[in-house]
Amino acid sequence: GNSVTQMEGPVTLSEEAFLTINCTYTATGYPSLFWYVQYPGEGLQLLLKATKADDKGSNKGFEATYRKETTSFHLEKGSVQVSDSAVYFCALSETGAGSYQLTFGKGTKLSVIP
Amino acid sequence: EAEVAQSPRYKITEKSQAVAFWCDPISGHATLYWYRQILGQGPELLVQFQDESVVDDSQLPKDRFSAERLKGVDSTLKIQPAELGDSAMYLCASSSPGHSGEKLFFGSGTQLSVL
Repeated sequence: GNSVTQMEGPVTLSEEAFLTINCTYTATGYPSLFWYVQYPGEGLQLLLKATKADDKGSNKGFEATYRKETTSFHLEKGSVQVSDSAVYFCALSETGAGSYQLTFGKGTKLSVIP
Repeated sequence: EAEVAQSPRYKITEKSQAVAFWCDPISGHATLYWYRQILGQGPELLVQFQDESVVDDSQLPKDRFSAERLKGVDSTLKIQPAELGDSAMYLCASSSPGHSGEKLFFGSGTQLSVL
């Protein structure tokens, strides 16, 4: 079956530090890959996505590249801010067009301190 | 901006009692999902609806859980009887095709505590 493994947290960084959250996946086909973010007290929000190999998703300074050869989709940001403190989830969807049956990783909690 | 509405926000119940959660998806969204998020874990799909029909409920514990979307709009997820292990965040999401591909929107969830 499908699975997503992401680095365990929590991760604590100082403001303006470089962020990497590792994510690897197992899938039988060619999944779409996602990063979702959950701010305290809020629902999940899509941060970025990539639908095929070598695609780069980007949003709000975050980036992730779909690496089929290493089955990875690592999240990076060059300079984090306090407002980036949240839980980040890597996810995949292997169902066909018209469906969003997501398989999530366990989440990585990021805390950014001033 | 349109949102997926869920209620209640919090629910505390005793084991063996019945509980129900409600979800109102974004208007016009035909596909609706219920996910369960146990503390420290990622969300897991329970059931998917397309309009009023169940598309996938393979992960729904049907001995105690039921879900319906009678008119293809809002949906109710019920647990009867609740067990201690059901304590979790229950998330509803809806989706509809968009110009840049299908978009999925999550509600803020219902936090269930079973005592």
